[in-house]
Amino acid sequence: AQSVTQLDSQVPVFEEAPVELRCNYSSSVSVYLFWYVQYPNQGLQLLLKYLSGSTLVKGINGFEAEFNKSQTSFHLRKPSVHISDTAEYFCAVRNNAGNMLTFGGGTRLMVKP
Amino acid sequence: EAQVTQNPRYLITVTGKKLTVTCSQNMNHEYMSWYRQDPGLGLRQIYYSMNVEVTDKGDVPEGYKVSRKEKRNFPLILESPSPNQTSLYFCASRHYRLQGTIYEQYFGPGTRLTVT
Repeated sequence: AQSVTQLDSQVPVFEEAPVELRCNYSSSVSVYLFWYVQYPNQGLQLLLKYLSGSTLVKGINGFEAEFNKSQTSFHLRKPSVHISDTAEYFCAVRNNAGNMLTFGGGTRLMVKP
Repeated sequence: EAQVTQNPRYLITVTGKKLTVTCSQNMNHEYMSWYRQDPGLGLRQIYYSMNVEVTDKGDVPEGYKVSRKEKRNFPLILESPSPNQTSLYFCASRHYRLQGTIYEQYFGPGTRLTVT
């Protein structure tokens, strides 16, 4: 079985400040890791993914995430946020059998002017 | 345009009245799945299908049925809806994992269901 924990349900931050959204996972097998973004009243859009190789992964809209196997974490970061980054962010894990994608509870990022 | 479509987008119904939410994709994807999204719980998988006539339970299948008679369609059926099935539902699709390749999953726009 696998699970994903997003430690913060809401993260308020001022525009142009840096942000980190935390994600920890548990799994007994190798996993693939994803971050999705959901803008208000929309479906989910893939931000970035870690499959293998370099532990620092760059995604769209200036986001990046670092895979840390020893800490079973995959935190999402952006050095300077914009108002338009206001959305809900979901961390997800898929095991190497590939049949199921397990999501965390989501983190609502609120960027203030 | 490559997309996953769902209908209806909004639905208000009463307890016990059977309903179907349709899902269709135009990307020739083998794998399709249904999720429900509830506050603080993220998305939880209801059912998935790896190809035509192949379906399996996800984490929260109780109260739901699915069918996969055609590759492009994967309807979600609530035979007797109850208020605890009030939720936001997402359909998703992707190619099935082939020779070690991990494919991106595409999501539909969501269906907001209210059961009174």
